[in-house]
Amino acid sequence: AQSVTQPDIHITVSEGASLELRCNYSYGATPYLFWYVQSPGQGLQLLLKYFSGDTLVQGIKGFEAEFKRSQSSFNLRKPSVHWSDAAEYFCAINQAGTALIFGKGTTLSVSS
Amino acid sequence: ETGVTQSPTHLIKTRGQQVTLRCSSQSGHNTVSWYQQALGQGPQFIFQYYREEENGRGNFPPRFSGLQFPNYSSELNVNALELDDSALYLCASSSLEIGGPSAYEQYFGPGTRLTVT
Repeated sequence: AQSVTQPDIHITVSEGASLELRCNYSYGATPYLFWYVQSPGQGLQLLLKYFSGDTLVQGIKGFEAEFKRSQSSFNLRKPSVHWSDAAEYFCAINQAGTALIFGKGTTLSVSS
Repeated sequence: ETGVTQSPTHLIKTRGQQVTLRCSSQSGHNTVSWYQQALGQGPQFIFQYYREEENGRGNFPPRFSGLQFPNYSSELNVNALELDDSALYLCASSSLEIGGPSAYEQYFGPGTRLTVT
């Protein structure tokens, strides 16, 4: 069965430090891959997506993600974290155009 | 461009009651998907509507039902509410007709917080 694993439940990063959030997926082929961000009590905002081609994709708010087929991973990165980046981050895959399958999320806290 | 809107924002119901949640899709989108997000969890797919027909369903019982209207807005109905139905219900819109992988991008509304007591 298809699944998404986000190994880190909670990460704390100092403001200005770099960030990497991990995501691994299980799927028969290369799925379409997404990262979403959710602020407290809010809906989900699409940060970036991977369909095919260049394995390093750029998104909004200075985020990027790298697809590694050999590791079935799609890790999210940001070179310098801002306090406003504190939120819940979800990795997701899309199967056949209907359901997005989400990981359980990683909570990012930013310390000053 | 109008984003995805949902109503109401919050709702409190009693176990056994019925509830209807509403969603208006983003302009230009004709496909609506519904998700349930329990506290501390990722969203779980309930079902998707395309051209007013159910176009896929997750592992939810039949008491979860939906509708899509000609203007692409949608309703989620839940009968015989249970305590475990307490969650944030998210609606997402997309457009399966635009072709290519972009058809699989889903844009979410702010959600409806349902509390069942």
